Formats: sequence, structure tokens, C-alpha cells
Amino acid sequence: DGGITQSPKYLFRKEGQNVTLSCEQNLNHDAMYWYRQDPGQGLRLIYYSQIVNDFQKGDIAEGYSVSREKKESFPLTVTSAQKNPTAFYLCASSDEFSADRGSYEQYFGPGTRLTVT
Amino acid sequence: QKEVEQNSGPLSVPEGAIASLNCTYSDRGSQSFFWYRQYSGKSPELIMSIYSNGDKEDGRFTAQLNKASQYVSLLIRDSQPSDSATYLCAVNPLNQAGTALIFGKGTTLSVSS
Repeated sequence: DGGITQSPKYLFRKEGQNVTLSCEQNLNHDAMYWYRQDPGQGLRLIYYSQIVNDFQKGDIAEGYSVSREKKESFPLTVTSAQKNPTAFYLCASSDEFSADRGSYEQYFGPGTRLTVT
Repeated sequence: QKEVEQNSGPLSVPEGAIASLNCTYSDRGSQSFFWYRQYSGKSPELIMSIYSNGDKEDGRFTAQLNKASQYVSLLIRDSQPSDSATYLCAVNPLNQAGTALIFGKGTTLSVSS
């Protein structure tokens, strides 16, 4: 089965602790993304990676870090510097260009709901 | 700042009716457009993509794009209660590999039986 997996589904942490969210894909996609979703806020881009060993900051990268050592994996670390870390975190990857669709389609994993108290 | 605007709703329609969801975007150069469906507590699911002006149909779903008006819409025919969800409009501003999408905040659709 091809797809994107995220773990864990739910994560609870105390304030001041770093936490790493896992994202793995077996779709052979080059590009991967991390978004954050808050109620009423829509999806906001944290980091993205177009290729292994390369990544760029998104709109809200402060307090987060990523690595891309393997094509299949794009873990996100939420550090203690992130002021409001409680949110729904979504990992995505994008397809090869489809001449039929004329676009790069992006697919999401199931998400990790992080609660920090 | 590139923006995507959607009416937050809720949009309420009776079962069997046509639901019409609308989206506008600010970047005139945007290339491709997507509609995602998101059930409460779940991740977004891609349901339609469109990149050229006009209509694109897939089953009960029709996406409509008007680049001159910077407007994209989604029509859902014969709406079912299972269509009740939040619908996210997303725009790819560059249509290049590895380009992050810009999302609207979503429209909540409620289909009553």
C-alpha cells in the first residue's frame, strides 16, 4: 500500500520539552511538506523540502526544525522555543508533474495532534 | 502576501441539492488549483484539481476556473449527508516542483437529510 504515514496520532508533552513528529512516505515523491492547522486558521506552511538534504523555511518556521536525510522521511522537531505548539500537524508530499492534470498534486498524511501543557 | 479567500460558512443544503463553494485568490499568476475535503478531526483529502479555464467534472463534482476573475468554484451535485465536511481551496502559485500550496481557511458544508 502506497501512502504517507505519520506517528504518533496523538502526542502529549509538557512545556519546555522538544518533541519529534515522524513522517514517512513510500510514494517515491521528491517533495515533502509540513503544515500546521489551528482552528479557524487554515493550513500554514512550516517547512518544505524539494530534495534530499535540502529544505526551506515556510511562513511559520520559528521554533521548528527539520531534516531530510532520506527521500522517504521528513521528521519535524517542535522545540521549546515554539510559543504555541499545540496544533494539528500535517505532513504532505507532492507527485511528479502530470501533463494530464497540468499540476503537481499534494497528498496528506493522517496528521499528528500535539498537545502541550 | 498571496491570499486565498473562502466564505467560512456554514453552507447548508438539503440532501439532493447542488452545493456551490467559492474561492478567490490574489496572485494573478497562479497556475493550478485544488479542492480538498476535510472531515472533522481528519486530514485533508484531495478531490479535484484544475489548471485551465473552464469546467472539469469528476462524478458528482465539478470544478470551475476563471483566471481572469481569479475565481475557482466547486459544485457538488446530488449532495449527500456524507458530503458534510470542510472544503479547502488551495492554489499553487508557481506550478513548479516542490512548491508549497496556499490554502484558504475552508468552507463548512452541512447537508441535511
